[in-house]
Amino acid sequence: AQTVTQSQPEMSVQEAETVTLSCTYDTSESDYYLFWYKQPPSRQMILVIRQEAYKQQNATENRFSVNFQKAAKSFSLKISDSQLGDAAMYFCAYRSANSGYALNFGKGTSLLVTP
Amino acid sequence: SQTIHQWPATLVQPVGSPLSLECTVEGTSNPNLYWYRQAAGRGLQLLFYSVGIGQISSEVPQNLSASRPQDRQFILSSKKLLLSDSGFYLCAWSVVSSNQPQHFGDGTRLSIL
Repeated sequence: AQTVTQSQPEMSVQEAETVTLSCTYDTSESDYYLFWYKQPPSRQMILVIRQEAYKQQNATENRFSVNFQKAAKSFSLKISDSQLGDAAMYFCAYRSANSGYALNFGKGTSLLVTP
Repeated sequence: SQTIHQWPATLVQPVGSPLSLECTVEGTSNPNLYWYRQAAGRGLQLLFYSVGIGQISSEVPQNLSASRPQDRQFILSSKKLLLSDSGFYLCAWSVVSSNQPQHFGDGTRLSIL
């Protein structure tokens, strides 16, 4: 089974600064997909960004970008120009064709944004 | 557009009582459906998934069960709840293609007394 590791239980960033959340995963598959989800205090799960493993180009969505290193099995999330509304739990997730394309989640990183 | 509804939002149940959580999806056909559980301060754990009506796969042995009586309806049940069943339960759906993300309901906070 694939495992997803988020080694940073908590991170803090000042407003307008940049922060990087780390994620590593373990797999023997070559075809898979990676996601970052955000969970604010409301506990809704909100998709932030996704990356197809066959694409070398790193995905970008406005202030959010990833650094995907396939050989190292690393998938970090960079948040630029951090805003107070970015404060949330962030989950890295791996998706393969196993288990009906279900997601394997890391344990999450709690991001605090300070004024 | 597609929407997912999950209810109830909050539930407090005594140990040994039954459980029924319901999830419905609108605006799509033949979705993959999922039940996840999130324990306090932890990530999401897959409980069940379904790729079609009546097709249920269990990931974690436990006293919970799931059913899919209709294409866009997914139900999580238990005959007798345990204290360890407390948590936050999320239903999700996706299209079959693996590059498509999962979309989550608003969740049910279940407390067992």
